[in-house]
Amino acid sequence: AQSVTQLDSHVSVSEGTPVLLRCNYSSSYSPSLFWYVQHPNKGLQLLLKYTSAATLVKGINGFEAEFKKSETSFHLTKPSAHMSDAAEYFCVVSFPLIYNQGGKLIFGQGTELSVKP
Amino acid sequence: DTEVTQTPKHLVMGMTNKKSLKCEQHMGHRAMYWYKQKAKKPPELMFVYSYEKLSINESVPSRFSPECPNSSLLNLHLHALQPEDSALYLCASSYQSGDRGRVLVNEQFFGPGTRLTVL
Repeated sequence: AQSVTQLDSHVSVSEGTPVLLRCNYSSSYSPSLFWYVQHPNKGLQLLLKYTSAATLVKGINGFEAEFKKSETSFHLTKPSAHMSDAAEYFCVVSFPLIYNQGGKLIFGQGTELSVKP
Repeated sequence: DTEVTQTPKHLVMGMTNKKSLKCEQHMGHRAMYWYKQKAKKPPELMFVYSYEKLSINESVPSRFSPECPNSSLLNLHLHALQPEDSALYLCASSYQSGDRGRVLVNEQFFGPGTRLTVL
């Protein structure tokens, strides 16, 4: 069975300080993992994805995540927070696509990131 | 074009109304999805269409009726909704496993959503 746990429901940082959003996953086979961001009243935007290539994944807007199989983690980091980073972040595990069935995503419960001036 | 569009942005309807939500993509994706999202919660999958055929229905009440007229369009017809159906409705699309060779990664592209309020 696949599952995702985001360890913090809310993270608050000051502008210019590092961001760490934590995610642990459980999967019975090699997973695909994603981080999506959602700004208020907007759709979800893909930040980055891990698909069994490099374990350190770089995404948009300076975010990156490291896949650690031994720790079953996929934490999201950014060296320096910007006010525009304030949003909801979802860690997602993906089932592989099945022919003629599309595919399911397993979402974490989300982490709300606040950025203080 | 790497965008999924949804119309309308906002919709207010009474419990006896009939309305429709529309989703469109021109990325050549053959899998399309409807999600429902309540405030401060992750999206919940409602329906999946694969090659214009309904492949997954997550036990959604019949007052929600999906339709996929062609490979670029996805509709969600609404009838006799309840106030608890008020939510953000998101559409997404992805390649399907048989597309462009052997695509296995389920990377979904989301639209901006329709904010639905049922009075």
